Amino acid sequence: GAGVSQSPSNKVTEKGKDVELRCDPISGHTALYWYRQRLGQGLEFLIYFQGNSAPDKSGLPSDRFSAERTGESVSTLTIQRTQQEDSAVYLCASSFNFQETQYFGPGTRLLVL
Amino acid sequence: QKEVEQNSGPLSVPEGAIASLNCTYSDRVSQSFFWYRQYSGKSPELIMSIYSNGDKEDGRFTAQLNKASQYVSLLIRDSQPSDSATYLCAVNSGGYQKVTFGTGTKLQVIP
Repeated sequence: GAGVSQSPSNKVTEKGKDVELRCDPISGHTALYWYRQRLGQGLEFLIYFQGNSAPDKSGLPSDRFSAERTGESVSTLTIQRTQQEDSAVYLCASSFNFQETQYFGPGTRLLVL
Repeated sequence: QKEVEQNSGPLSVPEGAIASLNCTYSDRVSQSFFWYRQYSGKSPELIMSIYSNGDKEDGRFTAQLNKASQYVSLLIRDSQPSDSATYLCAVNSGGYQKVTFGTGTKLQVIP
């Protein structure tokens, strides 16, 4: 079946602009995670959803970052007033529930000029 | 204190040798343990999951879990250059706690 998809695959934006990243999880997966990975670094947890609620949003770096999820489907991660330090790969993963194996999407590569 | 710790490496092993990757975790009630592999420029992909003490084998890969000592390891037998990647350990503590990833160990298999 279809895996996790993310769009856009690449995004170049200017400092100060807002960006919206999209994640389509595997059908039937109730848990959805967002991570950030800077070049050469590990995964940095941002937020996770169980259904459309977010039990843990402790990883969001600042109030410029927000995320929402519609039911048990699409999620969007929004970064307002982007900064150069926001440049990274943003990975989305979904799992059947929050305790199970996570399946990762291909990521969105964000470059803030 | 980090919740999940891994040696960042790089760990270099010759082709055909056994690569041993280790991970320690801090939460004693952790229940689910995962090993992921991430090639450079790619997304992580699951290698194995393990839930109970002991060994679990899948082909050339063996996961070992010791809950009393709070560590989980991954052995790769007959290492191949194609195994060169970063290996991520992930731990879930149950309840409504999220899965937590370690920072990964970079493995280099030398031909």
